[in-house]
Amino acid sequence: GAVVSQHPSRVICKSGTSVKIECRSLDFQATTMFWYRQFPKQSLMLMATSNEGSKATYEQGVEKDKFLINHASLTLSTLTVTSAHPEDSSFYICSAPDRAAGKLFFGSGTQLSVL
Amino acid sequence: GESVGLHLPTLSVQEGDNSIINCAYSNSASDYFIWYKQESGKGPQFIIDIRSNMDKRQGQRVTVLLNKTVKHLSLQIAATQPGDSAVYFCAENRTPNTDKLIFGTGTRLQVFP
Repeated sequence: GAVVSQHPSRVICKSGTSVKIECRSLDFQATTMFWYRQFPKQSLMLMATSNEGSKATYEQGVEKDKFLINHASLTLSTLTVTSAHPEDSSFYICSAPDRAAGKLFFGSGTQLSVL
Repeated sequence: GESVGLHLPTLSVQEGDNSIINCAYSNSASDYFIWYKQESGKGPQFIIDIRSNMDKRQGQRVTVLLNKTVKHLSLQIAATQPGDSAVYFCAENRTPNTDKLIFGTGTRLQVFP
């Protein structure tokens, strides 16, 4: 079945560095993908909608210059956390809709820890 | 210092019993709802969905009920098993014709023998 692959699954970085997270749809093409953030014991919060070939749409309160999203192909969206700080430590999850299947599939998540 | 944060409500059930997890939503325009299961350190896993033109949908061991009058959604799990232990989230599509989902706060289900 359709799978969404997210990489890396875990990353530890120093404060001030940038981290890139990849989200790939393996069996289908996705013109949109979604990025969520989840803090411990909390729900998933939608950060932005990634649009293939155009700018991402950010949710209110999400800094677009800090969370750079690129959707350069129909199977890949990337989220770059720029100048990461400890408060950016979180579980980041992407999702992509498979139109043919009529379902939304989620990646396995990326645990980001900023020291 | 004191830690501040949300704590997920927890439902504890005995193995073999039925579980009912509830969710309230706020947007009467939402037309599509999904229940997800999330295990620790993993992404959400689809369980069952329902559209707003229905009030009940059944799957294998799971049933979703939708009450649009009071904007309430529930997930019923029959004969709950230890493998059902996880956090369950409801999600709603507030923007029709998109795949944009807004997640509820979640409920932790603990199954004990």
